[in-house]
Amino acid sequence: DGGITQSPKYLFRKEGQNVTLSCEQNLNHDAMYWYRQDPGQGLRLIYYSQIVNDFQKGDIAEGYSVSREKKESFPLTVTSAQKNPTAFYLCASSQTGLSEQYFGPGTRLTVT
Amino acid sequence: GENVEQHPSTLSVQEGDSAVIKCTYSDSASNYFPWYKQELGKRPQLIIDIRSNVGEKKDQRIAVTLNKTAKHFSLHITETQPEDSAVYFCAASSRNTGKLIFGQGTTLQVKP
Repeated sequence: DGGITQSPKYLFRKEGQNVTLSCEQNLNHDAMYWYRQDPGQGLRLIYYSQIVNDFQKGDIAEGYSVSREKKESFPLTVTSAQKNPTAFYLCASSQTGLSEQYFGPGTRLTVT
Repeated sequence: GENVEQHPSTLSVQEGDSAVIKCTYSDSASNYFPWYKQELGKRPQLIIDIRSNVGEKKDQRIAVTLNKTAKHFSLHITETQPEDSAVYFCAASSRNTGKLIFGQGTTLQVKP
């Protein structure tokens, strides 16, 4: 089954803890992205990577970190520095930066 | 900076009527314009896209028009059905940064 997967679907953490969200794709896509979506809001870009071992900050990178050690994987760490981490996180991938993006099913993170 | 404005933010139509959502973009170098549909709690999925070398594209009840001079593109849904109810996002490619710039989304409600 090809596609892009995220795990877990729901994640609960205590304030002050770092948490890592998984994103894996077997589409052989070069580019990968992380978005944050708050209730009733649009998609805000956190980080993106157009090639292995390289990534760029998006519009709301503060309090987040990423790595791109493998083409198929782009994990996102939500650090304790992120002031309001509770949100729906979507990962996406595309063949290039200027082509259709395929989205994962999302991870809903709740921090209390 | 690069920007995509989407209007309206909410749209309510009667089943069978048409719905139109409009977007304007700021980057004159943009050449790829996808539209995504996101049902409640689900991932965004591509419904139609257009590249800058054409002015219109249709797929059954869905059509997209592009006016490059005005930097404006629109989604048209005809004969709307209750299952069309969702949030719709437009996007424009950024040649400078190699990513998509998303609009804020339109919540479409189709009343039976």
